[in-house]
Amino acid sequence: EVQLVQSGAEVKKPGESLKISCKGSGYSFTSYWIGWVRQMPGKGLEWMGIIYPGDSDTRYSPSFQGQVTISADKSISTAYLQWSSLKASDTAMYYCVRISGFDAFDIWGQGTMVTVSS
Amino acid sequence: QSALTQPASVSGSPGQSITISCTGTSSDVGSYNLVSWYQQHPGKAPKLMIYEGSKRPSGVSNRFSGSKSGNTASLTISGLQAEDEADYYCCSYAGSSSSYVFGTGTKVTVL
Repeated sequence: EVQLVQSGAEVKKPGESLKISCKGSGYSFTSYWIGWVRQMPGKGLEWMGIIYPGDSDTRYSPSFQGQVTISADKSISTAYLQWSSLKASDTAMYYCVRISGFDAFDIWGQGTMVTVSS
Repeated sequence: QSALTQPASVSGSPGQSITISCTGTSSDVGSYNLVSWYQQHPGKAPKLMIYEGSKRPSGVSNRFSGSKSGNTASLTISGLQAEDEADYYCCSYAGSSSSYVFGTGTKVTVL
């Protein structure tokens, strides 16, 4: 079964760092782009950025450039999304997605809820 | 990159057809035949319903169909059922630098 399994929910304080993960299985992890999508509470979906695990080519939405870092370790079929200094406004559900050859997000992780509160 | 514009809500009675619009620009929807649609039930991850504007992934009901005209894409749900009540989002490829842009989302209510 093709799936993306994300790490569990996180509760952090403002200013702390965080790295969440997304492990792919059931397909060739290095052959598909992986993306990250943010959904703030009660709000819509926002594309954050993508990475090609095969060569770590990474692209960011202008809205998230410099705010987060996307990386991948192809040896363990895992992609990451990290923050160096969290803000309360980073509180959201974060989904990782596989991007099909037709530029559609065909496989979604279950989501990782990140709560940032003092 | 601004979000694609969708109506906030659309409603219909069981058995009826509804259409959700998704308006972009000549830089995204109008330039590429790469619009996808996603269904999201409360508390769940989104699910791909349509890709490349009008194609359905395996397992998606043929009651869902997509189309595009100019800078506007549309999702039609025919024979509306209670289980179709959910939020729907469009998404378009927007070129290698901007990559992707989502729509604002539409809440579908089955009356």
